[in-house]
Amino acid sequence: DIQMTQSPSTLSAFVGDKVTITCRAGQGISSWLAWYQQKPGRAPKLLIYKASSLESGVPSRFSGSASGTEFTLTISSLQPDDVATYYCQQYNSYPHTFGQGTKLEIK
Amino acid sequence: EVQLVESGGGLVKPGGSLRLSCSASGFNFAASSMSWVRQAPGKGLELVSSMTYATSHIFHADSVIGRFTISRDNAKNSLYLQMDSLRAEDTAVYFCARSAAGYDYWGQGTVVTVSS
Repeated sequence: DIQMTQSPSTLSAFVGDKVTITCRAGQGISSWLAWYQQKPGRAPKLLIYKASSLESGVPSRFSGSASGTEFTLTISSLQPDDVATYYCQQYNSYPHTFGQGTKLEIK
Repeated sequence: EVQLVESGGGLVKPGGSLRLSCSASGFNFAASSMSWVRQAPGKGLELVSSMTYATSHIFHADSVIGRFTISRDNAKNSLYLQMDSLRAEDTAVYFCARSAAGYDYWGQGTVVTVSS
């Protein structure tokens, strides 16, 4: 199985801050990586697919990038509505493994 | 409007069985690969089972092999998960999701609790 190591596990920032979450794949996955946002009691919501493609309807303050096996989700200007847990997922090969999640809070 | 609606969850004793259903609408279900993803209380996301649109490829997580079976009925736009020999560690919210470029459509989830 491909291990996905996500960091940090928790993150606290001010409204308006630039926020970065990192996900490292245990082996090469090309660009087959997705990012999800999950709010308490809700289903995950797809934000980014193929490492850097923005899902339709997702605010442009969210972006994704890749360098080798390291992937980054960036929120350019944190908003109160962004409080959630964020997960990365590789879908290069089965099982499509998820990172352990990053809980994002507002200071 | 895309909708995925899960049903069939509940409280079951260890060793018991449940059959989850996921009813899809608003997209071409027959042309879509579909998955079941679960989330144990306070934990992260875990892919349980997947089935390609042509049923040519089926995946089950190691932890459920021999106990869970995924199936689909394209005529009814429905996905199923037959869960047998349930264990306490299967307690979770079970989501169905479309597996496309990422998992783009998700249901609201159905709760499975395995307890005596």
